[in-house]
Amino acid sequence: EDKVVQSPLSLVVHEGDTVTLNCSYEVTNFRSLLWYKQEKKAPTFLFMLTSSGIEKKSGRLSSILDKKELSSILNITATQTGDSAIYLCAVGVIQGAQKLVFGQGTRLTINP
Amino acid sequence: DAGVTQSPTHLIKTRGQQVTLRCSPKSGHDTVSWYQQALGQGPQFIFQYYEEEERQRGNFPDRFSGHQFPNYSSELNVNALLLGDSALYLCASSWLGQNSYEQYFGPGTRLTVT
Repeated sequence: EDKVVQSPLSLVVHEGDTVTLNCSYEVTNFRSLLWYKQEKKAPTFLFMLTSSGIEKKSGRLSSILDKKELSSILNITATQTGDSAIYLCAVGVIQGAQKLVFGQGTRLTINP
Repeated sequence: DAGVTQSPTHLIKTRGQQVTLRCSPKSGHDTVSWYQQALGQGPQFIFQYYEEEERQRGNFPDRFSGHQFPNYSSELNVNALLLGDSALYLCASSWLGQNSYEQYFGPGTRLTVT
């Protein structure tokens, strides 16, 4: 059974800190790894990483895919209170359809 | 450019009833996937629709069914509701033609079964 595990499940830091969120996976037919930010309801797309694009960066956020270790990290530097959210890691697999298998999420809280 | 829209926002139903949730994909997208997100959990794949056909189903019973219309919008139907069906139901759209896994999510429908 396809499995995606995120750690830590919860993280509380102070504004300005740097955080690293982890995601590991065990799936068949891996195609991509995606990161989403979920503040209230709709998960918002952040990055997609594939074999041809294992590193992505956007402003203070960056992510790396390690296909050998079957894992990924999401880094956020100079955190702000607006970064408080649940961060979801999802792996795209092909099984008759292009479906996403999600981890349970990391709840990140940034205190001022 | 309109994003993914879903209706209704909230819904309260009684055990045994039936419910229909609706989704309109992002402009230019042709594929709709449905996910169930229980409290404190990540979303779980229910099924995906493309060209008005169900392409793949996750580990959900036949009480969950869906439909895709020619304009790519989609419905999720759940029959004989159970208390355990209470969750946030998310619709995601993508463009299969691009062979992309980039799925964009709607705001979800919060279903409460009492």
